[in-house]
Amino acid sequence: DAGVIQSPRHEVTEMGQEVTLRCKPISGHNSLFWYRQTMMRGLELLIYFNNNVPIDDSGMPEDRFSAKMPNASFSTLKIQPSEPRDSAVYFCASSLLRDRGETQYFGPGTRLLVL
Amino acid sequence: AQSVTQLDSHVSVSEGTPVLLRCNYSSSYSPSLFWYVQHPNKGLQLLLKYTSAATLVKGINGFEAEFKKSETSFHLTKPSAHMSDAAEYFCGARPGNQFYFGTGTSLTVIP
Repeated sequence: DAGVIQSPRHEVTEMGQEVTLRCKPISGHNSLFWYRQTMMRGLELLIYFNNNVPIDDSGMPEDRFSAKMPNASFSTLKIQPSEPRDSAVYFCASSLLRDRGETQYFGPGTRLLVL
Repeated sequence: AQSVTQLDSHVSVSEGTPVLLRCNYSSSYSPSLFWYVQHPNKGLQLLLKYTSAATLVKGINGFEAEFKKSETSFHLTKPSAHMSDAAEYFCGARPGNQFYFGTGTSLTVIP
Protein backbone atom coordinates (compact mmCIF):
# COMPACT_ATOMS: atom_id res chain seq x y z
CA ASP A 1 0.00 0.00 0.00
CA ALA A 2 1.27 3.47 -0.87
CA GLY A 3 0.08 4.98 2.38
CA VAL A 4 -1.65 8.32 2.65
CA ILE A 5 -0.81 10.50 -0.32
CA GLN A 6 -0.81 14.28 -0.13
CA SER A 7 -0.26 16.83 -2.85
CA PRO A 8 1.38 19.15 -3.38
CA ARG A 9 4.28 18.52 -0.99
CA HIS A 10 5.21 22.18 -1.03
CA GLU A 11 3.17 25.23 -1.94
CA VAL A 12 4.24 28.85 -2.06
CA THR A 13 1.56 31.40 -2.81
CA GLU A 14 0.77 35.05 -2.36
CA MET A 15 -1.66 36.44 0.14
CA GLY A 16 -5.21 36.48 -1.22
CA GLN A 17 -4.78 33.50 -3.51
CA GLU A 18 -6.81 30.33 -3.24
CA VAL A 19 -4.95 27.24 -2.03
CA THR A 20 -6.18 23.67 -2.45
CA LEU A 21 -4.55 20.79 -0.62
CA ARG A 22 -5.31 17.24 -1.65
CA CYS A 23 -5.34 13.93 0.14
CA LYS A 24 -5.81 10.34 -0.90
CA PRO A 25 -6.39 8.09 2.14
CA ILE A 26 -5.33 4.49 2.45
CA SER A 27 -7.68 2.26 0.50
CA GLY A 28 -10.34 0.74 2.75
CA HIS A 29 -10.02 3.34 5.49
CA ASN A 30 -13.26 5.05 6.47
CA SER A 31 -12.03 7.98 8.54
CA LEU A 32 -9.98 10.94 7.32
CA PHE A 33 -8.42 13.75 9.32
CA TRP A 34 -6.88 17.12 8.45
CA TYR A 35 -4.31 18.58 10.85
CA ARG A 36 -2.27 21.78 10.88
CA GLN A 37 1.14 21.99 12.49
CA THR A 38 2.91 25.20 13.46
CA MET A 39 5.69 26.02 15.87
CA MET A 40 3.40 28.23 17.91
CA ARG A 41 0.35 26.01 18.18
CA GLY A 42 1.73 22.52 17.65
CA LEU A 43 -0.51 19.94 16.00
CA GLU A 44 -4.15 20.94 15.67
CA LEU A 45 -7.03 18.83 14.39
CA LEU A 46 -8.97 20.90 11.86
CA ILE A 47 -11.69 18.51 10.76
CA TYR A 48 -12.39 14.85 10.41
CA PHE A 49 -14.68 12.75 8.27
CA ASN A 50 -16.23 9.38 8.86
CA ASN A 51 -17.61 7.57 5.81
CA ASN A 52 -17.18 10.81 3.82
CA VAL A 53 -19.34 12.79 6.25
CA PRO A 54 -17.80 15.63 8.30
CA ILE A 55 -18.11 14.68 11.96
CA ASP A 56 -16.34 17.52 13.73
CA ASP A 57 -15.15 20.73 12.09
CA SER A 58 -14.78 22.72 15.29
CA GLY A 59 -11.06 23.02 14.66
CA MET A 60 -11.46 24.85 11.37
CA PRO A 61 -10.08 28.30 12.13
CA GLU A 62 -12.53 30.41 10.16
CA ASP A 63 -14.76 30.59 7.12
CA ARG A 64 -11.79 30.94 4.82
CA PHE A 65 -11.15 27.24 5.40
CA SER A 66 -13.32 24.53 3.88
CA ALA A 67 -12.91 20.79 3.45
CA LYS A 68 -14.69 18.28 1.30
CA MET A 69 -14.66 14.55 0.84
CA PRO A 70 -16.65 13.75 -2.30
CA ASN A 71 -15.77 10.05 -2.14
CA ALA A 72 -13.90 7.55 -0.03
CA SER A 73 -10.63 8.01 -1.89
CA PHE A 74 -10.23 11.78 -2.06
CA SER A 75 -10.43 14.85 0.13
CA THR A 76 -9.54 18.51 -0.28
CA LEU A 77 -8.77 21.31 2.13
CA LYS A 78 -9.24 24.73 0.62
CA ILE A 79 -8.15 28.12 1.90
CA GLN A 80 -9.70 31.15 0.20
CA PRO A 81 -8.35 33.76 0.48
CA SER A 82 -5.05 32.69 1.98
CA GLU A 83 -3.19 34.79 4.56
CA PRO A 84 0.43 34.71 5.79
CA ARG A 85 -0.71 33.31 9.15
CA ASP A 86 -1.96 30.22 7.32
CA SER A 87 1.64 29.22 6.67
CA ALA A 88 2.09 25.80 8.25
CA VAL A 89 2.45 22.12 7.50
CA TYR A 90 -0.88 20.50 6.79
CA PHE A 91 -1.20 16.78 7.44
CA CYS A 92 -3.84 14.39 6.28
CA ALA A 93 -4.35 11.12 8.14
CA SER A 94 -6.67 8.17 7.65
CA SER A 95 -7.82 5.27 9.78
CA LEU A 96 -10.17 2.32 9.80
CA LEU A 97 -12.75 3.06 12.45
CA ARG A 98 -13.61 -0.25 14.08
CA ASP A 99 -13.14 0.52 17.73
CA ARG A 100 -11.86 3.26 19.95
CA GLY A 101 -8.26 2.28 19.43
CA GLU A 102 -7.91 2.70 15.71
CA THR A 103 -4.55 3.93 14.46
CA GLN A 104 -4.23 7.03 12.34
CA TYR A 105 -1.78 6.83 9.46
CA PHE A 106 -0.32 10.17 8.47
CA GLY A 107 0.68 11.45 5.08
CA PRO A 108 3.98 13.28 4.53
CA GLY A 109 2.31 16.67 4.80
CA THR A 110 2.01 19.76 2.62
CA ARG A 111 4.29 22.62 3.58
CA LEU A 112 2.41 25.85 2.81
CA LEU A 113 4.03 29.26 2.71
CA VAL A 114 1.82 32.28 2.13
CA LEU A 115 3.78 35.42 1.31
CA ALA B 1 -11.94 20.29 29.47
CA GLN B 2 -10.17 17.34 27.96
CA SER B 3 -6.55 17.72 26.87
CA VAL B 4 -3.10 16.23 26.60
CA THR B 5 -0.08 17.81 28.28
CA GLN B 6 3.49 16.99 27.41
CA LEU B 7 5.48 18.25 30.35
CA ASP B 8 8.77 18.84 28.55
CA SER B 9 9.18 20.68 25.26
CA HIS B 10 12.82 19.57 24.97
CA VAL B 11 14.69 16.56 26.37
CA SER B 12 18.39 15.85 25.89
CA VAL B 13 19.98 12.52 26.73
CA SER B 14 23.32 10.91 26.03
CA GLU B 15 23.45 7.97 23.69
CA GLY B 16 23.00 4.74 25.62
CA THR B 17 21.17 6.34 28.56
CA PRO B 18 17.45 5.96 29.37
CA VAL B 19 14.77 8.11 27.77
CA LEU B 20 11.70 9.44 29.59
CA LEU B 21 9.14 11.57 27.80
CA ARG B 22 6.24 12.61 29.98
CA CYS B 23 2.59 12.87 29.06
CA ASN B 24 -0.49 13.54 31.14
CA TYR B 25 -4.04 13.52 29.93
CA SER B 26 -7.19 15.07 31.21
CA SER B 27 -10.37 13.19 30.50
CA SER B 28 -13.61 12.34 32.18
CA TYR B 29 -12.99 8.70 31.34
CA SER B 30 -10.12 6.53 30.17
CA PRO B 31 -9.31 7.39 26.58
CA SER B 32 -7.25 5.52 24.03
CA LEU B 33 -3.71 6.87 24.23
CA PHE B 34 -1.01 7.06 21.59
CA TRP B 35 2.58 8.05 21.08
CA TYR B 36 3.73 9.18 17.66
CA VAL B 37 7.22 10.08 16.42
CA GLN B 38 8.00 12.65 13.76
CA HIS B 39 11.38 12.79 12.11
CA PRO B 40 12.42 16.01 10.32
CA ASN B 41 10.32 16.76 7.25
CA LYS B 42 8.32 13.56 7.72
CA GLY B 43 4.79 12.70 8.75
CA LEU B 44 3.89 11.19 12.11
CA GLN B 45 4.49 7.51 12.69
CA LEU B 46 2.76 5.49 15.40
CA LEU B 47 5.09 4.19 18.12
CA LEU B 48 2.51 2.51 20.33
CA LYS B 49 -1.04 2.76 21.62
CA TYR B 50 -3.05 1.89 24.71
CA THR B 51 -6.64 0.71 24.32
CA SER B 52 -7.67 -0.54 27.78
CA ALA B 53 -5.84 -3.84 27.60
CA ALA B 54 -2.44 -4.28 29.30
CA THR B 55 -1.29 -1.12 31.06
CA LEU B 56 2.30 -1.59 29.91
CA VAL B 57 2.43 -1.17 26.16
CA LYS B 58 5.40 -2.11 24.03
CA GLY B 59 6.00 -0.31 20.77
CA ILE B 60 8.46 -0.20 17.95
CA ASN B 61 12.16 0.62 18.23
CA GLY B 62 12.35 -0.48 21.87
CA PHE B 63 9.94 2.11 23.23
CA GLU B 64 7.27 1.35 25.78
CA ALA B 65 4.73 3.31 27.78
CA GLU B 66 2.80 2.62 30.94
CA PHE B 67 -0.76 3.76 31.50
CA LYS B 68 -1.31 4.89 35.10
CA LYS B 69 -4.90 5.83 35.67
CA SER B 70 -4.28 7.10 39.22
CA GLU B 71 -1.75 9.57 37.85
CA THR B 72 -3.52 10.16 34.51
CA SER B 73 -0.15 9.60 32.88
CA PHE B 74 1.17 7.76 29.84
CA HIS B 75 4.92 8.35 29.91
CA LEU B 76 7.13 7.04 27.12
CA THR B 77 10.38 5.28 28.00
CA LYS B 78 13.29 3.52 26.37
CA PRO B 79 16.14 1.86 28.29
CA SER B 80 18.92 3.01 25.98
CA ALA B 81 18.79 5.93 23.57
CA HIS B 82 20.11 5.62 20.05
CA MET B 83 21.16 8.46 17.79
CA SER B 84 18.31 7.59 15.43
CA ASP B 85 15.80 8.32 18.21
CA ALA B 86 16.39 12.06 17.83
CA ALA B 87 13.01 13.38 16.69
CA GLU B 88 9.81 15.07 17.82
CA TYR B 89 7.42 12.95 19.89
CA PHE B 90 3.70 13.54 20.25
CA CYS B 91 1.36 12.10 22.83
CA GLY B 92 -2.26 11.78 21.72
CA ALA B 93 -5.59 10.87 23.29
CA ARG B 94 -8.90 9.80 21.88
CA PRO B 95 -11.75 10.18 24.36
CA GLY B 96 -14.89 9.26 22.50
CA ASN B 97 -15.05 10.93 19.12
CA GLN B 98 -12.49 13.62 19.91
CA PHE B 99 -8.78 13.61 19.19
CA TYR B 100 -6.15 15.59 21.08
CA PHE B 101 -2.39 15.86 20.67
CA GLY B 102 0.17 17.36 22.99
CA THR B 103 2.45 20.14 21.81
CA GLY B 104 5.32 17.73 21.30
CA THR B 105 8.66 16.94 22.93
CA SER B 106 11.85 17.37 20.97
CA LEU B 107 14.36 14.65 21.84
CA THR B 108 18.06 15.31 21.32
CA VAL B 109 20.53 12.45 21.63
CA ILE B 110 24.08 13.47 22.42
CA PRO B 111 26.83 11.18 21.10
